[in-house]
Amino acid sequence: GEDVEQSLFLSVREGDSSVINCTYTDSSSTYLYWYKQEPGAGLQLLTYIFSNMDMKQDQRLTVLLNKKDKHLSLRIADTQTGDSAIYFCAVKYAGYSTLTFGKGTMLLVSP
Amino acid sequence: NAGVTQTPKFRVLKTGQSMTLLCAQDMNHEYMYWYRQDPGMGLRLIHYSVGEGTTAKGEVPDGYNVSRLKKQNFLLGLESAAPSQTSVYFCAVLADSSYNEQFFGPGTRLTVL
Repeated sequence: GEDVEQSLFLSVREGDSSVINCTYTDSSSTYLYWYKQEPGAGLQLLTYIFSNMDMKQDQRLTVLLNKKDKHLSLRIADTQTGDSAIYFCAVKYAGYSTLTFGKGTMLLVSP
Repeated sequence: NAGVTQTPKFRVLKTGQSMTLLCAQDMNHEYMYWYRQDPGMGLRLIHYSVGEGTTAKGEVPDGYNVSRLKKQNFLLGLESAAPSQTSVYFCAVLADSSYNEQFFGPGTRLTVL
């Protein structure tokens, strides 16, 4: 089946930029998502990008999509301690009513 | 999260016991999903439903059954619980947005001894 890969852990200092990476295997992606999960909570949609876009910016968040390399990244500028969470990459493939999730990247922001 | 609730929040079972997890939405969305989350494994889809009276298998359906008798409710059943089913279970609902956002419930933490 389709695979979505993420690195498992990232540690940054407050005020630095964070970059979380994701790769996927199937080129028939339609939408790609970044979800955030805070401790003890469910997932919340952080941002998304349509597959015909290269970049999307939303305040401190920048999403970059390289369809040729099947690579998605999430950049968080001026990272704050409140950004500490698990970030999941998810892909919706054409013809499917389900999402394929990566294993999640735990972001730890230290003061 | 857009009116998705899960009952119960926590449960401890003994091996072989049965239970049902309830997911309820206060909207009128068609698609509902059950996931399990395990350390290092991310989210894996158990079953899903594309409308009232319909269900379909996901990635890890074995040991679980589901029912969608009412549009608002999606039930996940464990007929004979096993320790391997110790997990956090999340329900999600597909919103009617153009970008297919899934809204997640708060989760049910299940321990099987």
